[in-house]
Amino acid sequence: SAVISQKPSRDICQRGTSLTIQCQVDSQVTMMFWYRQQPGQSLTLIATANQGSEATYESGFVIDKFPISRPNLTFSTLTVSNLSPEDSSIYLCSVGTGDGYTFGSGTRLTVV
Amino acid sequence: AQTVTQSQPEMSVQEAETVTLSCTYDTSESDYYLFWYKQPPSRQMILVIRQEAYKQQNATENRFSVNFQKAAKSFSLKISDSQLGDAAMYFCAYRSAATGGTSYGKLTFGQGTILTVHP
Repeated sequence: SAVISQKPSRDICQRGTSLTIQCQVDSQVTMMFWYRQQPGQSLTLIATANQGSEATYESGFVIDKFPISRPNLTFSTLTVSNLSPEDSSIYLCSVGTGDGYTFGSGTRLTVV
Repeated sequence: AQTVTQSQPEMSVQEAETVTLSCTYDTSESDYYLFWYKQPPSRQMILVIRQEAYKQQNATENRFSVNFQKAAKSFSLKISDSQLGDAAMYFCAYRSAATGGTSYGKLTFGQGTILTVHP
């Protein structure tokens, strides 16, 4: 199954700034998924990123706040913009595999 | 839209004992996939087991097995001979088998169950 390298693993950011999270996959994949996991909560899908097209966002998530880049079939970035304390969460990327889904190791974002 | 419900926020088990985690889901589809994922404190999501809805036979993976009741829309996870390393948050998840449309490839997760294993 695919292996995902997600960076950074954690970061502490000031209000009003942005954080860009990267996911590198060791194989080509069509779809990549970005999730948010608020403290003690479940995973909520932010958007689906396909190479060569605009990302598709779920209800409650907008491109201005969560711009996504998908320049090729092995890489994607998620930017969390204009940070506020409510953005403090774990962010995970994921790709489909033969048996299920592989996830990145997550980025723990703390906004101060 | 599909929903997944895990009604047990927390469960505990003694080492070497058996524990069952519950999951129910709501869907109008007849073909789909169900998953159990484990998330230890490291945050890494680990696939525990997967079930295809068209298969009547319950999936098993070593100490992990499921009780899939399609008519009841129930998908429980049984962990036998529990080990300290089984302690984690467990998530039940649903995925449509449809090969197109807005829900293609998306996972819907339950709220999670925190499993504590006592030595």
